[in-house]
Amino acid sequence: AQSVTQPDIHITVSEGASLELRCNYSYGATPYLFWYVQSPGQGLQLLLKYFSGDTLVQGIKGFEAEFKRSQSSFNLRKPSVHWSDAAEYFCAVGVPLNTDKLIFGTGTRLQVFP
Amino acid sequence: GAGVSQSPRYKVAKRGQDVALRCDPISGHVSLFWYQQALGQGPEFLTYFQNEAQLDKSGLPSDRFFAERPEGSVSTLKIQRTQQEDSAVYLCASSLDGSTGELFFGEGSRLTVL
Repeated sequence: AQSVTQPDIHITVSEGASLELRCNYSYGATPYLFWYVQSPGQGLQLLLKYFSGDTLVQGIKGFEAEFKRSQSSFNLRKPSVHWSDAAEYFCAVGVPLNTDKLIFGTGTRLQVFP
Repeated sequence: GAGVSQSPRYKVAKRGQDVALRCDPISGHVSLFWYQQALGQGPEFLTYFQNEAQLDKSGLPSDRFFAERPEGSVSTLKIQRTQQEDSAVYLCASSLDGSTGELFFGEGSRLTVL
């Protein structure tokens, strides 16, 4: 069965610092991978997705993620964090033949200090 | 409206009561998903509709949970004889055709069972 692990429950960074949120997946074939963000009082929003091709994918709000098959990872990065990036971030894997049925990780809460 | 709308936003039920949660997806979206998000956890898949057909209900935790989408648009998640462990945020999401990898989520219905 597919699964997603987000090792970091809570991360705190200073505004302007770089950010990397970790995601590891378990799946027997090439997965479909996603990052979603959940801001307070708002629904989950898609940041970026990987289906195939270039392993470095660009998303909205200046985020990017890199698929590394050898490490079963899909880490999310941002070079310079803004205070508005404070939110909960979820990594998810898509099920083959039904890519929109997503299996989510437990999330990483990002706190940004000025 | 332009987004996924869920109601009620907050529901408090006494143990043993029945509840109904409504989801109004984005117009024209064929696929509709229900997820359950417990406190501090990621969303967990409950069930999936393609138009009015419920194609996957493998995530429903018990036969007390029932979902329908009779006309392929609005969906209702019903929980009978609520238990304390049903307390969670219930998220509804829709997608264009189930293959884009982009789910559009509502803000959720927070259910508290006393």
